[in-house]
Amino acid sequence: GQQVMQIPQYQHVQEGEDFTTYCNSSTTLSNIQWYKQRPGGHPVFLIQLVKSGEVKKQKRLTFQFGEAKKNSSLHITATQTTDVGTYFCAGYGGSQGNLIFGKGTKLSVKP
Amino acid sequence: NAGVMQNPRHLVRRRGQEARLRCSPMKGHSHVYWYRQLPEEGLKFMVYLQKENIIDESGMPKERFSAEFPKEGPSILRIQQVVRGDSAAYFCASSAAGERSPLHFGNGTRLTVT
Repeated sequence: GQQVMQIPQYQHVQEGEDFTTYCNSSTTLSNIQWYKQRPGGHPVFLIQLVKSGEVKKQKRLTFQFGEAKKNSSLHITATQTTDVGTYFCAGYGGSQGNLIFGKGTKLSVKP
Repeated sequence: NAGVMQNPRHLVRRRGQEARLRCSPMKGHSHVYWYRQLPEEGLKFMVYLQKENIIDESGMPKERFSAEFPKEGPSILRIQQVVRGDSAAYFCASSAAGERSPLHFGNGTRLTVT
C-alpha cells in the first residue's frame, strides 16, 4: 500500500534558526496536505498543495510540492518558540479517500 | 460554530471491558475519519465513513473494533474486550467533501486500559 515517509523524526533548533522537514511518497499524489500538532493537542490543517512544483507561503512557512508530485517540504524561517510541535504531511491513498499521514517531524525550539 | 466534538476526552477501562468513543462532525460535514495515535508516533488511519456507510475500513483491526456513523447521531468507534495495547489517543476528523478536502480534527479521546 501507499507509504508516506518524513524526515527527520526529530529536530532541535535554537530560536532564530531555520527548520525544514521533508516528505516522500511511494506513489504519485494528487495533492499533499500539511498539519501541525502542538504538544497535547490535535492536528490542525495548515495547507494543501495540488499542482506540480507548487510553492505556497504562510508568513515564515514555505511549502513546496515536487515536480513529480511524490515529495514535499516545509521550511520555517527564523523559528520561534510558538513553532514547537509536530508537523505532519499527508496524502490520499488509493481510490477510497483515506488520508495517509507521515510519522511527523517533532520540532523543539530552544529560546 | 462548533468544531468536531469528541467525548469523552479521557476514558479509563479495565481489560475485558468495552470502550465507546463518540464523534460529532462539524456542522455540514458528512465524512468522518478515525485515527489512532500512540505516544510519540504518527496518526494511523483506521476507518472512513459517510452517513450509514463504511467507505474504507482497511486500517481497522479485524477483531474487537467496529465503527458506525448512523443517519442520526454521532459516529461511534467501539472497542470490545479492551487490552492494554489499545491504550492510545483516538482522533476523529471530519470533512465536507471527502477526498481531497482538509480534515478538521476533534480534541481526541485518550483511552487508558488498566
